[in-house]
Amino acid sequence: EPEVTQTPSHQVTQMGQEVILRCVPISNHLYFYWYRQILGQKVEFLVSFYNNEISEKSEIFDDQFSVERPDGSNFTLKIRSTKLEDSAMYFCASRYGGEGEKLFFGSGTQLSVL
Amino acid sequence: ELKVEQNPLFLSMQEGKNYTIYCNYSTTSDRLYWYRQDPGKSLESLFVLLSNGAVKQEGRLMASLDTKARLSTLHITAAVHDLSATYFCAVQARGSTLGRLYFGRGTQLTVWP
Repeated sequence: EPEVTQTPSHQVTQMGQEVILRCVPISNHLYFYWYRQILGQKVEFLVSFYNNEISEKSEIFDDQFSVERPDGSNFTLKIRSTKLEDSAMYFCASRYGGEGEKLFFGSGTQLSVL
Repeated sequence: ELKVEQNPLFLSMQEGKNYTIYCNYSTTSDRLYWYRQDPGKSLESLFVLLSNGAVKQEGRLMASLDTKARLSTLHITAAVHDLSATYFCAVQARGSTLGRLYFGRGTQLTVWP
């Protein structure tokens, strides 16, 4: 079965540094998402992206966050100046676009901000 | 904000037994998802429930949706060790962007011999 691929699987960074988390969604999918899960807490929606623009974002997704689909296959999440509270597992997800479709998740990037 | 409550959060059950996980949500929705997560792994989609009264079954798992009660259940029949995982329900609020899901905290299921 096709899958969503995320790299790296683990990322350690210093507070204040910029990080870019990378995702390769399933190739014919049109809708892309980032979610995150802080240890012991719920999975939370960050942003959805369609047709090269953000379609919805949560209150978590502030000016420090940005997303991009630079080349038609990759989908990236950038955090400009990381904070300790950004430490979480970040999941990328994608779907083709039909009603009732599954949302396919990647295996996640564990981000640790020191 | 849409609230999604799962219970129980922890479930330890013997092989061969049956049990039900409950998922309540706080606002109108007509799309509900169940996911499974193994430790360190991705979220694997189990079921998508689209309408009131929807019931789906796959192997030993059966999910149902009652939109009037704002309740979904995941029923486990004759549990086996391979079902040990964390199970999440996730709800799409009516009117929100497709794919914007609100997750419950998850039910950590352990099946022992």
